[in-house]
Amino acid sequence: DIQMTQSPSSLSASVGDRVTITCQASQGISNYLNWYQQKPGKAPKLLIYGAFNLETGVPSRFSGSGSGTDFTFTISSLQPEDIATYYCQHYDSLPRTFGGGTKVEIK
Amino acid sequence: EVQLLESGGGLVQPGGSLRLSCAASGFTFSSYAMSWVRQAPGKGLEWVSALSVSGATTYYADSVKGRFTISRDSSKNTLYLQMNSLRAEDTAVYYCAKDKNPSTSWYYFDCWGQGTLVTVSS
Repeated sequence: DIQMTQSPSSLSASVGDRVTITCQASQGISNYLNWYQQKPGKAPKLLIYGAFNLETGVPSRFSGSGSGTDFTFTISSLQPEDIATYYCQHYDSLPRTFGGGTKVEIK
Repeated sequence: EVQLLESGGGLVQPGGSLRLSCAASGFTFSSYAMSWVRQAPGKGLEWVSALSVSGATTYYADSVKGRFTISRDSSKNTLYLQMNSLRAEDTAVYYCAKDKNPSTSWYYFDCWGQGTLVTVSS
């Protein structure tokens, strides 16, 4: 199974800050990588698919990059409504696996 | 509007059974692969089971293989997860999720239900 390692596991930032989360795959997965946002008590929401493609309706302050084993998710200007846990997920092979999550809080 | 609505969760004793349902609306259910993803309390996401568009291909995580069965009834636009021999470690919120694109299998999930809580405890 491909292991997905996210870092950091949590972070605290101020409104307007640039926030970066990384996701490392245990083996190369090309660009088969997605990012989800999960707010407390809610279902996950797809933000980025195929490493860098923004899902319809998702604000442009969210972006993704990377290929192979190393990926980055960025919030260019953190907003209060971005408080959530973010997960990466690969779809290179079976089983699909998720990273452990990154909890984003407001400082 | 695309919607998924899970039901069937609840409290069950170890060794018991439950059947989860996921009612789909707002899209052509028979054209999309579907998955079940669970989340134990305070934990991350685990892809548990999935079904291809045709229904001919299924996936089960090792942790549930031989105990859970996924199926779909396209005439009712409903996905099911039959869970037998339940264990305490199966306690979680179970979400159903659809693939974003028709005819792909389990790439990225663009619509999720609200989740249904399964608690396995004596």
